[in-house]
Amino acid sequence: EVQLVESGGGLVQPGRSLRLSCTASGFTFGDYAMNWVRQAPGKGLEWVGFIRSKTYGGTTENAASVKGRFTISRDDSKSIAYLQMNSLKTEDTAVYYCTRITGSHIDHWGQGTLVTVSS
Amino acid sequence: QLVLTQSPSASASLGASVKLTCTLSSGHSSYAIAWHQQQPEKGPRYLMKVNSDGSHSKGDGIPDRFSGSSSGAERYLTISSLQSEDEADYYCQTWGTDILFGGGTKLTVL
Repeated sequence: EVQLVESGGGLVQPGRSLRLSCTASGFTFGDYAMNWVRQAPGKGLEWVGFIRSKTYGGTTENAASVKGRFTISRDDSKSIAYLQMNSLKTEDTAVYYCTRITGSHIDHWGQGTLVTVSS
Repeated sequence: QLVLTQSPSASASLGASVKLTCTLSSGHSSYAIAWHQQQPEKGPRYLMKVNSDGSHSKGDGIPDRFSGSSSGAERYLTISSLQSEDEADYYCQTWGTDILFGGGTKLTVL
């Protein structure tokens, strides 16, 4: 059974940093692109960014709203994807979901972790 | 520009059927999409992928009551024999250079 478990969320002040982790199990992690999606309170889903598998270069793409501040990485030996968030803003407050990508669509979601940016 | 458009809300009676629509922007009618369900206070769940020819492939454990279809630039999610637990937000999602979501449809089961 595919499982994705996010961790690392919490309360952080504006301008500070936070790193989220996504621990995967139930599949060969290195074969898949991994993706982050967020949802602000009462709002819809917003794509944050993804990292391709090493087979496809392990490169990343980010949404314009987080480009230059957020970085996605992966450790295939540990089956973990990371979302490093720097220079956080109050508008980054959201539940952050880790997802797996199959082909080009999302086919599994984690349960999410809440990030609150507030002074 | 690739855009997905969904109606903000829909409603149908318990036991009835409902068809939700996701419309691809002009010039993108060949794109496949995926449907995701988000029940109240829960994380999203993948339902299915719908191709431009109407074929679809469902996620693990998705009941037969859920089906997908296509017509032109429109992609559909049909839910039959509506149950109370189907009351949820439904998002369509596609991909170009980025991943993109529609605004979501809030389904109310009457």
